[in-house]
Amino acid sequence: AQRVTQPEKLLSVFKGAPVELKCNYSYSGSPELFWYVQYSRQRLQLLLRHISRESIKGFTADLNKGETSFHLKKPFAQEEDSAMYYCALRDNFNKFYFGSGTKLNVKP
Amino acid sequence: GAVVSQHPSRVICKSGTSVKIECRSLDFQATTMFWYRQFPKQSLMLMATSNEGSKATYEQGVEKDKFLINHASLTLSTLTVTSAHPEDSSFYICSAPRLAGGVTDTQYFGPGTRLTVL
Repeated sequence: AQRVTQPEKLLSVFKGAPVELKCNYSYSGSPELFWYVQYSRQRLQLLLRHISRESIKGFTADLNKGETSFHLKKPFAQEEDSAMYYCALRDNFNKFYFGSGTKLNVKP
Repeated sequence: GAVVSQHPSRVICKSGTSVKIECRSLDFQATTMFWYRQFPKQSLMLMATSNEGSKATYEQGVEKDKFLINHASLTLSTLTVTSAHPEDSSFYICSAPRLAGGVTDTQYFGPGTRLTVL
């Protein structure tokens, strides 16, 4: 069963525009949600996790248990934000399940 | 930060041969490592969980006899693709969770191994 859904394969915005990358999940337990980012020709790296409730590189994500969502937001996109973004869920067995990814393209 | 390495980064082999991919945690110990497969422009698909000192656990649909996993030490897990065929061509990525106080800290990913089977 699909645990993590990212409905947008590609999201293009202009520099300075707000951006929201959508992520919905399904899991009966108490999952932990993450956003990972993969810049061009680099390895996957952690961007943020919901339990930290922190802002990294201007990005924030709030876990909405009622809507089972964990959307990633940034008020003013920068060109260097262009990358692949993956939403991930860690289940109660420490396994990670990734969404299909959203490619963010920030245009100058 | 914690580093996970993979070797080789790229391998091309003939159909029918076996290929071994190594995953190492360089500055921390990992009793568990995960192996993923990523098809072009698709997400990472969890293949199996490598457990130090015990058998690997495989996700549904992943052939354990095809993808042999050995967690040789607390810093090394190997994935062997046996009798590789062109459909096994893919990008294989490992990850290792770093524990902090007995609780999983975060996952650190290797750079991946590009396997091409001719």
